[in-house]
Amino acid sequence: AQKVTQAQTEISVVEKEDVTLDCVYETRDTTYYLFWYKQPPSGELVFLIRRNSFDEQNEISGRYSWNFQKSTSSFNFTITASQVVDSAVYFCALSEAGPNNAGNMLTFGGGTRLMVKP
Amino acid sequence: ETGVTQSPTHLIKTRGQQVTLRCSSQSGHNTVSWYQQALGQGPQFIFQYYREEENGRGNFPPRFSGLQFPNYSSELNVNALELDDSALYLCASSLKRGGYTDTQYFGPGTRLTVL
Repeated sequence: AQKVTQAQTEISVVEKEDVTLDCVYETRDTTYYLFWYKQPPSGELVFLIRRNSFDEQNEISGRYSWNFQKSTSSFNFTITASQVVDSAVYFCALSEAGPNNAGNMLTFGGGTRLMVKP
Repeated sequence: ETGVTQSPTHLIKTRGQQVTLRCSSQSGHNTVSWYQQALGQGPQFIFQYYREEENGRGNFPPRFSGLQFPNYSSELNVNALELDDSALYLCASSLKRGGYTDTQYFGPGTRLTVL
């Protein structure tokens, strides 16, 4: 069974601080995909990134960066120089690619609420 | 490119009633997945529709059912509503090719309140 844990339920930072959101996952599959989604107060889940289990290269996109480490089953997300507009709930999700995951469902963590204060 | 749309945005029902939620998939996508998100929690997978058939289901009772139409849009039907069904219902569309479903893109959701 697949499982995602986001231990930080809420983080509060001051604008321009760097912040890291943690994500730990469990899976028995060797092929899987990891995702981060952002959910602003409007409710829509906004896709941020997808990584497959064979690609451990870290990725940077503007102020966002992701650190994928299979050895610790973690896929952490860092926002550099945070801004008020980054305030939202962030979800990490896992999708196993094997035959036991019909529908390739996403299993989400509980989310981390990030509050960036001016 | 048109994104995923859902209707209605908000809905209030009473216990025991039935409800239908609608979703239009993003252009070029052939698969629709439905998720339930209770307040303060992560979304939970309900089911996925591909080629007008259910293609995977989460841990939800049969009173949750769905349809997919030839234009890839979808409906989620919930019968005999219970108070615990109050949640944000999210629809996601994606492209299924080969054996795997590509990245799922979500709509704005329908907020259902059951009184």
